[in-house]
Amino acid sequence: QVQLQESGPGLVKPSETLSLTCTVSGGSVSSDSFYWSWIRQPPGKGLEYIGYIYYTGSTHYSPSLESRVTISVDTSKDQVSLKLNSVTAADTAVYFCARGGWELGDAFDLWGQGTMVTVSS
Amino acid sequence: QSALTQPPSASGSPGQSVTISCTGTSSDVGGYNYVSWYQQHPGKAPRLLLYEVTKRPSGVPDRFSGSKSGNTASLTVSGLQAEDEADYYCNSYAGNNNQVFGTGTKVTVL
Repeated sequence: QVQLQESGPGLVKPSETLSLTCTVSGGSVSSDSFYWSWIRQPPGKGLEYIGYIYYTGSTHYSPSLESRVTISVDTSKDQVSLKLNSVTAADTAVYFCARGGWELGDAFDLWGQGTMVTVSS
Repeated sequence: QSALTQPPSASGSPGQSVTISCTGTSSDVGGYNYVSWYQQHPGKAPRLLLYEVTKRPSGVPDRFSGSKSGNTASLTVSGLQAEDEADYYCNSYAGNNNQVFGTGTKVTVL
């Protein structure tokens, strides 16, 4: 079955760029039915939508983060990447990759296990 | 985009029902039937419980049900079981391809 796996550095310095990758296994990112999202969760807090990408490269970003976020897709590797620049301690969170579907009313039906990123010098 | 409002906590005894509300605005919950609910156990990824207000994905027990009235959506867990103790989050489409999550509710099974 399709699985998602996030990977990347667990520690990032303030003002630098956070970079994460989500690898899709057992399936393909090149699906007409789904898009690929990033969602984060600060320690002890709720979920925050970051943005999504469709396999064609079409993207949408949360208005609160769009000035700092870039999401890209590599269809040859079935990978989706997240870059968040100029990070601060407020960006410390567990970052999830999730699959969204228009046929699911934009719900997220498949999630990676998440990866913890700490912003600290 | 402000987070949708959920009560911080809810509780019930085994076998009872608990209902969690999710209040937004006419720009999100009230404007679209694209409300979804997620269950999250500690240290785990969220799990989709309901989408499009009332629809259950394959594998989700029918003890979980949803409804919506105006700007407020609700999740009801019937026949509470010990494994239902978790955090629950709502999510709504908010127009212009944007989405917003709820503040989260911790459900305790007494």
